[in-house]
Amino acid sequence: DTTVKQNPRYKLARVGKPVNLICSQTMNHDTMYWYQKKPNQAPKLLLFYYDKILNREADTFEKFQSSRPNNSFCSLYIGSAGLEYSAMYLCASSFNQDTQYFGPGTRLLVL
Amino acid sequence: GDSVTQTEGPVTVSESESLIINCTYSATSIAYPNLFWYVRYPGEGLQLLLKVITAGQKGSSRGFEATYNKETTSFHLQKASVQESDSAVYYCALGESGSFNKLTFGAGTRLAVCP
Repeated sequence: DTTVKQNPRYKLARVGKPVNLICSQTMNHDTMYWYQKKPNQAPKLLLFYYDKILNREADTFEKFQSSRPNNSFCSLYIGSAGLEYSAMYLCASSFNQDTQYFGPGTRLLVL
Repeated sequence: GDSVTQTEGPVTVSESESLIINCTYSATSIAYPNLFWYVRYPGEGLQLLLKVITAGQKGSSRGFEATYNKETTSFHLQKASVQESDSAVYYCALGESGSFNKLTFGAGTRLAVCP
């Protein structure tokens, strides 16, 4: 089973409110990634966990938090949502730096 | 930084026609990039279509082919005869071995195949 699950599939949030997105995989993959995808733009890597070590991209360092309580789960947290956070959020996982497997995505709309 | 540029969509072709989706890359921080094509079918997540990690090699899957050309920094996706089921969004991407294969994507090309 190469399934990566994401919850919820759709999320409506208010400006200034927190948002928490969840990703899970049961493939015992060591690395989990979060990408942001806006319309007509390329998916952009936000951060990834290798085992328990979080790596955030320089230009998104202060905008997103993440946690990985165990090997299977990884969350993406926005402390105070702004309109610019409206996007599709894609979670992926991989083992031993090999192929990344993606979930279906969570579409976030901030109003 | 690294970047990927691909054919701007939408691309519309008729069933059984040939297809080429262009992809060029710039890998300023990666000496030996790995190249990928991912596809997103309606209602599904991104899935790997094919990958090539060695310059000069060709990858193939489901009738699609792409050759890693280091001289022209290109990785064009081709298919000799498309089917309606190939309708999807195709993403070209590059990654780096040994750096968690972090992916840099192109903006995607939406393909519509008409019966």
